[in-house]
Amino acid sequence: DAGITQSPRHKVTETGTPVTLRCHQTENHRYMYWYRQDPGHGLRLIHYSYGVKDTDKGEVSDGYSVSRSKTEDFLLTLESATSSQTSVYFCAIRESSMGNSPLHFGNGTRLTVT
Amino acid sequence: DQQVKQNSPSLSVQEGRISILNCDYTNSMFDYFLWYKKYPAEGPTFLISISSIKDKNEDGRFTVFLNKSAKHLSLHIVPSQPGDSAVYFCAAWNSGNTPLVFGKGTRLSVIA
Repeated sequence: DAGITQSPRHKVTETGTPVTLRCHQTENHRYMYWYRQDPGHGLRLIHYSYGVKDTDKGEVSDGYSVSRSKTEDFLLTLESATSSQTSVYFCAIRESSMGNSPLHFGNGTRLTVT
Repeated sequence: DQQVKQNSPSLSVQEGRISILNCDYTNSMFDYFLWYKKYPAEGPTFLISISSIKDKNEDGRFTVFLNKSAKHLSLHIVPSQPGDSAVYFCAAWNSGNTPLVFGKGTRLSVIA
């Protein structure tokens, strides 16, 4: 798992409630990412971070915000959850920006919005 | 617009035979290509990568071939084993700070 812990692993929440997913790494890697996986869509990038307090949007960032106050933690927040945000969320880390430095993924958080 | 395409949602292969998974891309700025394997209830696992300056990279049973003129790459698994049954994702990036772009995945089933 490359020292990546995602919490919680499963969550069921109601529409309109705020939700925060946590990604914790022990590798001291600079880069961290949040992806979501949906049937027929593969893996799509939500937000990413290239350092403490440095974040940027991915292709499906609407409805999500992130924060990175420490190197080891990257939080994904759904301000007001909607049913379309039911998905499996994966955190990933990367050591460097070199092309041969791959992403390493956590085991995911399955989120259900009812 | 999908920059990385895996046109086969699924593939079935007999144990011991070759599995060939295909991937096409549209962005000529991509300079690194990666393959990931994913089992149910787990995160994707990095398998193998190739730089755009190469046309082949091999790691054990896994070989990736790149055809830049056709904007096409393929992953060969020889011999295929039942434990190879998983979803395989092709991914690409323009190395640097740009994010990794994934295809939709191909589900490989290796039948004993």
